[in-house]
Amino acid sequence: LAKTTQPISMDSYEGQEVNITCSHNNIATNDYITWYQQFPSQGPRFIIQGYKTKVTNEVASLFIPADRKSSTLSLPRVSLSDTAVYYCLVGGGYNFNKFYFGSGTKLNVKP
Amino acid sequence: DAGVIQSPRHEVTEMGQEVTLRCKPISGHDYLFWYRQTMMRGLELLIYFNNNVPIDDSGMPEDRFSAKMPNASFSTLKIQPSEPRDSAVYFCASSSLGNSGGPRGNEQFFGPGTRLTVL
Repeated sequence: LAKTTQPISMDSYEGQEVNITCSHNNIATNDYITWYQQFPSQGPRFIIQGYKTKVTNEVASLFIPADRKSSTLSLPRVSLSDTAVYYCLVGGGYNFNKFYFGSGTKLNVKP
Repeated sequence: DAGVIQSPRHEVTEMGQEVTLRCKPISGHDYLFWYRQTMMRGLELLIYFNNNVPIDDSGMPEDRFSAKMPNASFSTLKIQPSEPRDSAVYFCASSSLGNSGGPRGNEQFFGPGTRLTVL
């Protein structure tokens, strides 16, 4: 399994854009990059997934450079309700695979 | 759909007792996952099933843990005998291979979890 490295925690203020970068040097050719969000006392929730370049959905954007050894989750104009732990995962793809969640990044949004 | 359903939500037991956690996946999903989350070790994958068949149980900590999926709508995770170090939140998740490769291909749907305390 390709492991990931993320900052342990980040602070931000309401209305700011937050970028969380994840390193995954051993990513395999058929691995996708997936981000999950977890609130206290809840299970993780899917945010976004990508393979290369840029992916955007109604919640976030995901930037993946050409070498795919890192990725950046971008959350536009965060609010207090975005305070959560964010996990970067690599794996999956056309042959469903298991994931290594790691420790995640604890994002603390302040008023 | 009600989402992934887990029971019980909380379980307190004494060391040595048998514990059974239950999960009902989302209808139509063909993958089922059991995870364990602790402060020390984070979120760990214990075992996953495809079409009711266990595919990878390498994350199961030891022989005291066992998991079954007798049909597409039900799975159990059993700990026998339980120990204080088994105290954790246990999550069940389900997914559909039908979305693999699409923009949400790796989306797993997690249940609310079972908080287990072994005294």
